[in-house]
Amino acid sequence: RKEVEQDPGPFNVPEGATVAFNCTYSNSASQSFFWYRQDCRKEPKLLMSVYSSGNEDGRFTAQLNRASQYISLLIRDSKLSDSATYLCVVIDYSSASKIIFGSGTRLSIRP
Amino acid sequence: DAGVTQSPTHLIKTRGQQVTLRCSPKSGHDTVSWYQQALGQGPQFIFQYYEEEERQRGNFPDRFSGHQFPNYSSELNVNALLLGDSALYLCASSLRDRGRNEKLFFGSGTQLSVL
Repeated sequence: RKEVEQDPGPFNVPEGATVAFNCTYSNSASQSFFWYRQDCRKEPKLLMSVYSSGNEDGRFTAQLNRASQYISLLIRDSKLSDSATYLCVVIDYSSASKIIFGSGTRLSIRP
Repeated sequence: DAGVTQSPTHLIKTRGQQVTLRCSPKSGHDTVSWYQQALGQGPQFIFQYYEEEERQRGNFPDRFSGHQFPNYSSELNVNALLLGDSALYLCASSLRDRGRNEKLFFGSGTQLSVL
């Protein structure tokens, strides 16, 4: 089993739709969680941090469920410019500390 | 305020050769981490440097080594290149955060092709 798993997609949704995807992680000691966005042939860029209390940034909402070991990203009123690959990142700061990326979920917004 | 810069942007090598990639972190950042990203995959963590020492390491062989300089810039060295080392190599800088909300800022990467 992979340490961090994402549905690869692609998710193909119409403009204005709401779309959500999850990311599961296997290490219960993981302590920090993020969503990154990566456009084709570009570097990943931080989208938002993820907290147990949930956090919202405009049309984007991220949530952490420690009991079930997954994080989620919800995009409301999707725009054409939201088309990208979304990567979840899980960081474990224990003695075996490392930074683990999911393989990404491809999102395509159609007009 | 310069972001993370990497050089070179593209590199072509042959099997068995050695390569050195360079990274300058974002101003104010003290930590550098390196990633390998194959086409269609997420970045794979290679290692992280802080205070000129390797602090964490992913599942990469000893052929992959690095260095951090007093000015926080970093190098990634790969020896005895294999065809499978062809990938985009990304550098990310961050500010060590004991609050454990360490945000990574990436450079645009070095595309390495091994022939």
